[in-house]
Amino acid sequence: DVKVTQSSRYLVKRTGEKVFLECVQDMDHENMFWYRQDPGLGLRLIYFSYDVKMKEKGDIPEGYSVSREKKERFSLILESASTNQTSMYLCASSGTGGSPLHFGNGTRLTVT
Amino acid sequence: DQQVKQNSPSLSVQEGRISILNCDYTNSMFDYFLWYKKYPAEGPTFLISISSIKDKNEDGRFTVFLNKSAKHLSLHIVPSQPGDSAVYFCAASGGSGTYKYIFGTGTRLKVLA
Repeated sequence: DVKVTQSSRYLVKRTGEKVFLECVQDMDHENMFWYRQDPGLGLRLIYFSYDVKMKEKGDIPEGYSVSREKKERFSLILESASTNQTSMYLCASSGTGGSPLHFGNGTRLTVT
Repeated sequence: DQQVKQNSPSLSVQEGRISILNCDYTNSMFDYFLWYKKYPAEGPTFLISISSIKDKNEDGRFTVFLNKSAKHLSLHIVPSQPGDSAVYFCAASGGSGTYKYIFGTGTRLKVLA
């Protein structure tokens, strides 16, 4: 079974802090993704990566950056956290084209 | 612009009956469609998929139907069970952003015992 592990289930941060969300997958998948889930808005893609050191913006990249130094690890960075970034963050991975996404259990981030 | 739409935010069904969840899309370049199920405080789990060369795919109690001309897909769950109560998301990919999966807003299914 594919395992996607997010380092924290719950995080509380203050406005202006730099926040790191870490994600590790164990299936040698090429593609990794960061989504956020908000009520009534579904899952929205923040960034994705199709190879080490490669990244592409999703639909809502503003206020975020990512890092992929190793194939199994994909980090989401909030450079200066704001209250509108309070959300559920979901990491996912997939193999080559046409295969389903496998999600981690999510990180519930609260910015106060 | 919402390319994948789930117009019913919620649905209630009696145990044992059929649950039908609907999804519409606008981008004719989408060629791969998926359904995910999500329980609270967990990540979405993959249920079933269909490629655009098919119009039906079945896996146990779950069947997905694709109507390309109407740009519509539906998930049928028969028979529905209380453990099916969750939020269901449809997703689509293909076209210029092959690696991108676009999700709908979700439908909360409640199966009543």
